[in-house]
Amino acid sequence: DAGVIQSPRHEVTEMGQEVTLRCKPISGHDYLFWYRQTMMRGLELLIYFNNNVPIDDSGMPEDRFSAKMPNASFSTLKIQPSEPRDSAVYFCASGRGRGQFFGPGTRLTVL
Amino acid sequence: QQPVQSPQAVILREGEDAVINCSSSKALYSVHWYRQKHGEAPVFLMILLKGGEQKGHDKISASFNEKKQQSSLYLTASQLSYSGTYFCGPHGSARQLTFGSGTQLTVLP
Repeated sequence: DAGVIQSPRHEVTEMGQEVTLRCKPISGHDYLFWYRQTMMRGLELLIYFNNNVPIDDSGMPEDRFSAKMPNASFSTLKIQPSEPRDSAVYFCASGRGRGQFFGPGTRLTVL
Repeated sequence: QQPVQSPQAVILREGEDAVINCSSSKALYSVHWYRQKHGEAPVFLMILLKGGEQKGHDKISASFNEKKQQSSLYLTASQLSYSGTYFCGPHGSARQLTFGSGTQLTVLP
């Protein structure tokens, strides 16, 4: 079975630009999580969905961040406008309540 | 609130044992353990659902003391492949995990 798929794997953009990260969860998983990882702050949960519905977005740092899950097989995390401090690795993970399975991550660099 | 992991780092020789501890200030329903190798995504190792329960994954096992809000990960006869950063993810009343700061494990030949 294919694991969680994320795209792009690397993104380099300039401050002020819009960035969209994409995630395809494992088929049959009803939970989807977006995380951000940095050396300073570790692994932080940004938002998670259950059956495509956002449950908790308290980890989303600012209004510049938004996430959607239009269907069970696709989710996006958007940053608009991006800032240098958004540079991090963004992970998407999916699960069925017994462990989370992470995608390979998107390494975002905002110049 | 982030759970506390100890030690922060440990260096072992192949074949030696190690214990990683995780404690939370909040009541726990379960604990997840993950391992992340450098440049890779975290990988799910195991979940412990009941107080006192122990589970195993190869020569890696864990315990969960619900009353003390603590979990420990036991690595027996460590192998080179065990190197990485280990995260505990206590599961409180909410569905989301709050990951610890991680324990960096290095196994030397």
